[in-house]
Amino acid sequence: AIQMTQSPSSLSASIGDTVTITCRTSHGIRNDLGWYQQKPGKAPKLLIYGASTLQSGVPSRFSGSGSDTYFTLTISSLQPEDFATYYCLHDFSYPLTFGGGTRVDIK
Amino acid sequence: EVQLLESGGHLVQPGESLRVSCVGSGFTFGSFALMWFRHSPVKGLEWVSVISAGGDYTYYADSVKGRFTISRDNSNNTLHLQMNSLRVEDTAIYYCAKDRTSDWSPSGLDSWGQGTLVTVSS
Repeated sequence: AIQMTQSPSSLSASIGDTVTITCRTSHGIRNDLGWYQQKPGKAPKLLIYGASTLQSGVPSRFSGSGSDTYFTLTISSLQPEDFATYYCLHDFSYPLTFGGGTRVDIK
Repeated sequence: EVQLLESGGHLVQPGESLRVSCVGSGFTFGSFALMWFRHSPVKGLEWVSVISAGGDYTYYADSVKGRFTISRDNSNNTLHLQMNSLRVEDTAIYYCAKDRTSDWSPSGLDSWGQGTLVTVSS
C-alpha cells in the first residue's frame, strides 16, 4: 500500500494568514491526489482533485499543487470557516490511503 | 441533488456481526462505483472498501479483508456493508461515498453520507 506522510499534524493560525500543508507519498502517484476538509461531526468535503483542480463551489483561496510524490494544499487569507482538519487522499490505486490529517486551529 | 443516507449503526459486542446500508438518490445509482470509509478519533480517516457499478469488482482494506463484505442492490439504490467478527478497533463512524465520475478509477469523492456510528464494545 502507498504510505502517506502529511505535515504538520496541527497548526495554529490567525484570520487572514496563509497556511500550507504538505503530503508526501511513498510511491509516485502522478497527480492522483485529493484534499478533503472535515469538521467535527461532519463528513469529509472534497476541496481539490487531481492534485490541483478546485472542486466546484470551493472558494478560490484554496489551491493545490504537486505531482509524483510531493503535494501541497495552500489556504490563502484564512477565514473563520476554514478552521477544520484537512486530509490528503491518494486515488492512484486500491487500497486508497489518507494522510494522517492536519488540524488547523485559531491562534 | 445527490444524497447518500447511511443506516444500521449500532452497539455490538466483539465477535458479533452487523450490516450497515446506504441509500442513494439524485444520481444514476447503478452507474457509479461506491465506497465505504470510516473515521475514528484513534485512526483518523480510513478507506474500507469499493464496489464497481455493476457489483462485479470489489476491493477491501487489509484491516477488514475476510471479515467485511460489500454489496449493492441497484434496483433499490442501496449499498451494503456486512461486517462479521467485529473487533473493538472497528469502532468508527462509517460513511458511504461516490466518486465525481462514473469511471472505475477514482478521481475524487464528491458526495458523502452523514455517517452511521458503529461501536464495538463489551
